[in-house]
Amino acid sequence: DTAVSQTPKYLVTQMGNDKSIKCEQNLGHDTMYWYKQDSKKFLKIMFSYNNKELIINETVPNRFSPKSPDKAHLNLHINSLELGDSAVYFCASSQVAGGYNEQFFGPGTRLTVL
Amino acid sequence: SQQGEEDPQALSIQEGENATMNCSYKTSINNLQWYRQNSGRGLVHLILIRSNEREKHSGRLRVTLDTSKKSSSLLITASRAADTASYFCATDGGFKTIFGAGTRLFVKA
Repeated sequence: DTAVSQTPKYLVTQMGNDKSIKCEQNLGHDTMYWYKQDSKKFLKIMFSYNNKELIINETVPNRFSPKSPDKAHLNLHINSLELGDSAVYFCASSQVAGGYNEQFFGPGTRLTVL
Repeated sequence: SQQGEEDPQALSIQEGENATMNCSYKTSINNLQWYRQNSGRGLVHLILIRSNEREKHSGRLRVTLDTSKKSSSLLITASRAADTASYFCATDGGFKTIFGAGTRLFVKA
């Protein structure tokens, strides 16, 4: 059983298009995240949701819109894709409790914008 | 510089040798975590050390934390080729975990 899954694994698209990445976790966690990892492997948090509520939005362009239909899902929609959006996007989940926040990551979605 | 910066950026060693990676951070923390990322995969949690702990062991991993210097180190003993990966420290501020740029470890067989 995959704990955190993402689809698609690879996404190649043209500039200006709109695309979505889906994420699902079966761990029963309350908190889910989206991270962007650039070509230098730097991992930057984009969004964090707790119980379907947005709690962190790290100055991400509003072309990026997360949606959490329920606690187990956090999708990421990207409008008007730009070259600089090319990266690997990771979804993660955790159960934050007592200052403990071990995160479980999905396999990543490699987005290439041409 | 970013919270959770690892040093060195890259490390190449022979199988059987020990590998030490360092992490520095800027603000006060609740705890510090280390993660591993194999090529083309997501990050996997290795170990967490709380701010009131100084040292922690897990198998071949040893983590130290010096809150006065705002630094941590990860030691992997008797390294194996399968340890080849990128290693990230992450500082935990509740719902917002900040990852460093990672150390790329290459273990030669």
